[in-house]
Amino acid sequence: DAGITQSPRHKVTETGTPVTLRCHQTENHRYMYWYRQDPGHGLRLIHYSYGVKDTDKGEVSDGYSVSRSKTEDFLLTLESATSSQTSVYFCAISESLRRELYNEQFFGPGTRLTVL
Amino acid sequence: SQQGEEDPQALSIQEGENATMNCSYKTSINNLQWYRQNSGRGLVHLILIRSNEREKHSGRLRVTLDTSKKSSSLLITASRAADTASYFCAPGGGADGLTFGKGTHLIIQP
Repeated sequence: DAGITQSPRHKVTETGTPVTLRCHQTENHRYMYWYRQDPGHGLRLIHYSYGVKDTDKGEVSDGYSVSRSKTEDFLLTLESATSSQTSVYFCAISESLRRELYNEQFFGPGTRLTVL
Repeated sequence: SQQGEEDPQALSIQEGENATMNCSYKTSINNLQWYRQNSGRGLVHLILIRSNEREKHSGRLRVTLDTSKKSSSLLITASRAADTASYFCAPGGGADGLTFGKGTHLIIQP
């Protein structure tokens, strides 16, 4: 298995509180991604990173921010959690030399977040 | 990337039978990937097929790609209980992330 860990694995929080989820990799891959998975929606991309301090928005980025200060860590922050952000969050990593040689993504185990 | 649409949404077969699921997409792609997700787990990459390939095999998996019809199929032969999972296709994935549909939920009956 690719060396990807997510922490915490489960979290329950209250509306309005800040929450930070961490993704850590030991593969030295360049690209890192945050997805959320909800029933009836499949997985949707929140944000991604193509290098240290280089990030971009995905399909559902509103209400989320990210940071990547080191190759191995990609943080997802909910500045003020809302009940609509209750979801399972997955981190993924990938290495791609060139766009046309894009390779597979490796996924972490997920974080189950409940916002009450 | 674009979202693929998997069909059927659910499939139940007997152990030992073959399972076939399909993926359709809308615009031209460079590659298409298939992933599996066991209940409560992260996605696992199964196979990547590039646009200049028509068929690819990996163990009991066979993937086909028909770019003229904008469709792909995943065949799992001699199914096992451990194949029970959801299967997702991801057409046209690039370094800026993948888009997943709702998947096909496969149940292998003993």
